[in-house]
Amino acid sequence: QVQLVQSGAEVKKPGASVKLSCKASGYTFISYYMYWVRQAPGQGLEWMGIINLSSGSTSYAQKFKGRVTMTRDTSTSTVYMELSSLKSEDTAVYYCARVPSRYSSSFDYWGQGTLVTVSS
Amino acid sequence: QSVLTQPPSASGTPGQRVTISCSGSSSNIGSNTVNWYQQFPGTAPKLLIHSNNQRPSGVPDRFSGSKSGTSASLAISGLQSEDEADYYCAAWDDSLNGPVFGGGTKLTVL
Repeated sequence: QVQLVQSGAEVKKPGASVKLSCKASGYTFISYYMYWVRQAPGQGLEWMGIINLSSGSTSYAQKFKGRVTMTRDTSTSTVYMELSSLKSEDTAVYYCARVPSRYSSSFDYWGQGTLVTVSS
Repeated sequence: QSVLTQPPSASGTPGQRVTISCSGSSSNIGSNTVNWYQQFPGTAPKLLIHSNNQRPSGVPDRFSGSKSGTSASLAISGLQSEDEADYYCAAWDDSLNGPVFGGGTKLTVL
């Protein structure tokens, strides 16, 4: 069965960076794309970027360009998302979510989420 | 401010039929398929409806989706207490070159 297992909760100070991981299993890793989507407390869903798991190419939402980096390790079927220059507004639950193609909003599997708290 | 517009709340009694609307524009719903997600507190969203009206395996047929022009709707018939959750619509946006979401609708079963 498809599983996306994310790394544990993080607490960071403003200005720091955080790197989250998402380990995929139960399917052919490179046959899909992976998004990172975040959800601030009590708020809706917001996409941050997408990575082509086969080529490693990425596309980031304008809001996060320059602060976010997505990478993948095909040997371990793991996707990473690093967000730098953290602010209190970055406090949110971060999800990895799989899509079958580049231009899709059909996220068929999600990780369990990672809470990132940014506080001084 | 979400790109897709949903009512913040909806409610119904057990057994009733409830609909949740999602309004967009020609660059998203008007030219791409709509997906719906169900989210319980403290858990990840779950794909409920894809491609406007298709249910993934395991989703009860009480849930149905439709699309017309730049709007879409999620209908839940035979409402049950366990349907109490947040519901989000999503679609690809050609202008923004990314997926866009509605702000979510909190469904309360009275």
